[in-house]
Amino acid sequence: EVQLVESGGDLVQPGGSLRLSCAASGFSFETYEMNWVRQAPGKGLEWISFISTGGKFIYYADSVKGRFTISRDNARNSLYLQMNSLSAGDTALYYCARDSGLVPGVHDAFDLWGQGTMVTVSS
Amino acid sequence: EIVLTQSPGTLSLSPGERATLSCRASQSLRSSYLAWYQQRPGQAPRLLIYGASIRATGVPDRFSGSGSGTDFTLTISRLEPEDFAIYYCQLYGDSRHTFGQGTKLEIK
Repeated sequence: EVQLVESGGDLVQPGGSLRLSCAASGFSFETYEMNWVRQAPGKGLEWISFISTGGKFIYYADSVKGRFTISRDNARNSLYLQMNSLSAGDTALYYCARDSGLVPGVHDAFDLWGQGTMVTVSS
Repeated sequence: EIVLTQSPGTLSLSPGERATLSCRASQSLRSSYLAWYQQRPGQAPRLLIYGASIRATGVPDRFSGSGSGTDFTLTISRLEPEDFAIYYCQLYGDSRHTFGQGTKLEIK
C-alpha cells in the first residue's frame, strides 16, 4: 500500500526540541521530493519545508527558518523534521506530503499525505 | 509574496446543489500552478485538482477547476453528502507553497 506514516509528535515545553519522522512505503521514495505541512488546531494549512530527492535543495517557510531542519534517509525510506526552540505557535498537526512529480522540474502539488502527528508546545 | 484569498469563508448548500468556490491571487500567476484540496473532518487533505483544471486520479467528474491569472474557481456540479468539507487552494511551482485560508462547505 502506498502510504506515509508520521510519528514523533508529543507534548513539549516551550524552548524544547522534537524530531518528527515520516515513513514511506509502497513507492520509490528516493524519486520523490517531499514536504512538511502543518495545521494548527482549527486553522488552515501551512507549508513549512521542502527537500529534493537527494537532499541537495532545501527550503523553509520564514516561520520556521533557523529553527527547523528537514532531512531524509532514502535507504530507510524516511523523512525527518528536527524542530528546535519550539514555542506555542508551533502547536499543530504535522503532515508529511509527497510532491506529485507530475511536471518535471516544478515543485508540484501534493498527491500523497500522511495522517499527521500532533505536536503540542505547552508548559 | 503572493497571497491566496478564498471566498466565501463558509458556504451553506444542500445536497444536489451546485457549489462554486473562489480563490483569488494577489498577483497574476505566471502559470496555472494552482491546486485544490479537500479536507474532511479528522482526515488529511486530498488532492482534487492540479494545473488549475486537471482532476487528480480517482476524483469524480462532478469536481471541476477553472481560471487563470488571478481568479480561480472550484465547482462541484451536484453536491453529494461526502462533499461537505473544507476546501483549500494552493499555489505551487516554485520553492514555496502557499495555501489559501480555506472555504468550509457545510450542509444547509
